[in-house]
Amino acid sequence: QVQLVESGGGVVQPGRSLRVSCAASGFTFSSYGMHWVRQAPGKGLEWAAVMSYDGSKKYYGDSVKGRFTISRDNSKNTVYLQMNSLRVEDTAVYYCARDQTGEAGAFDVWGQGTMVTVS
Amino acid sequence: QSALTQPASVSGSPGQSITISCTGTSSDVGGYNYVSWYQQHPGKAPKLMIYEVSNRPSGVSNRFSGSKSGNTASLTISGLQAEDEADYYCSSYTSSTSVVFGGGTTLTVL
Repeated sequence: QVQLVESGGGVVQPGRSLRVSCAASGFTFSSYGMHWVRQAPGKGLEWAAVMSYDGSKKYYGDSVKGRFTISRDNSKNTVYLQMNSLRVEDTAVYYCARDQTGEAGAFDVWGQGTMVTVS
Repeated sequence: QSALTQPASVSGSPGQSITISCTGTSSDVGGYNYVSWYQQHPGKAPKLMIYEVSNRPSGVSNRFSGSKSGNTASLTISGLQAEDEADYYCSSYTSSTSVVFGGGTTLTVL
């Protein structure tokens, strides 16, 4: 079945780095734009980053621009989010999501999320 | 990238209809037909309910419908059921090639 599984979350000190991963299965991964969306505890959804299906385009939200890097390996059906210079305010559940419209933001498949705690 | 504006909460009785608004600008909601709506139950991942303003994904009840007028999009849920109680988020593509979410609306079924 169509599935996204995030991993790599954990507790990290401010200023340090962490990489989270999202493994896809059940669909042609290389045909879809992929996003990262985060949700701080008790707060709403915040869009973080997107990478196009072929990796040629990537865009970031203002709060992570310059610190986070999205990448993908279509041979491994995996998208990554490298998070550097982490701040306390980056504490959140990080979801990866498939975009059925390319990069315009219709997220039809979501992972279960991975918790990142900066403390 | 200012968040889209949604009411913090709405409520309705079983069987009634409710509408949740989502207000943006001409650079997001008003400028593109890429408005989506998501339902999120506590501790769960969001679920796509409406995409491209008014389209329902396969498997989503036809009690859910979407529309847009100018810079404001709306989600209407008819025939409210207890299981509709959840948080709802709108999102839109923006002119800065990004995506912006609304602040979220908590729906209470009385």
